[in-house]
Amino acid sequence: AQSVTQLGSHVSVSEGALVLLRCNYSSSVPPYLFWYVQYPNQGLQLLLKYTSAATLVKGINGFEAEFKKSETSFHLTKPSAHMSDAAEYFCAVSVGQASGYSTLTFGKGTMLLVSP
Amino acid sequence: NAGVTQTPKFQVLKTGQSMTLQCAQDMNHNSMYWYRQDPGMGLRLIYYSASEGTTDKGEVPNGYNVSRLNKREFSLRLESAAPSQTSVYFCASSEIAFTYGANVLTFGAGSRLTVL
Repeated sequence: AQSVTQLGSHVSVSEGALVLLRCNYSSSVPPYLFWYVQYPNQGLQLLLKYTSAATLVKGINGFEAEFKKSETSFHLTKPSAHMSDAAEYFCAVSVGQASGYSTLTFGKGTMLLVSP
Repeated sequence: NAGVTQTPKFQVLKTGQSMTLQCAQDMNHNSMYWYRQDPGMGLRLIYYSASEGTTDKGEVPNGYNVSRLNKREFSLRLESAAPSQTSVYFCASSEIAFTYGANVLTFGAGSRLTVL
């Protein structure tokens, strides 16, 4: 069954520093992968998605992620952190259900803390 | 556009009480979902409705029932609330539910439920 594992429940960076949030996946079929962001007291918003068209995926707010099959990874990066990037980030994978449809399974999340 | 609207935003219940969380979307999406979010657990799927007229269990359906009232509305009912159901509940929708594909979910702002 498909699943994702996020390494690190909390990541702290200084403003202007590189952001790296780690996600590894497990899938017996070519995966569809996503990153979502949740700002305080809000719902989740899509940052980017991987659908096999390109291994480097660019998303909103300067974030990007690279799909690496050999490492079963889909890490999220941003070259320079901004205070407004402080939020919780979730990696997700599309999972086939017994019903014949697919749903999203989420990782446990990584809280990004940005200090001045 | 409102997107996905959830009501109520906050609710406090006593053990054994019942309540219904309401969700409506105005994007003409076919598929709708209920997730719960608990600290350190990420989001877990409770129930989903791939299309009007169908509902299926997700990862954690026990203690919950759902109704897909029409294409726009998908409600979640707790018949006899328990403290273990204290959580933040998110409704989401997607254009379609692929048999296996890149479902992009749009989330509501969440409903925070406390069961005493």
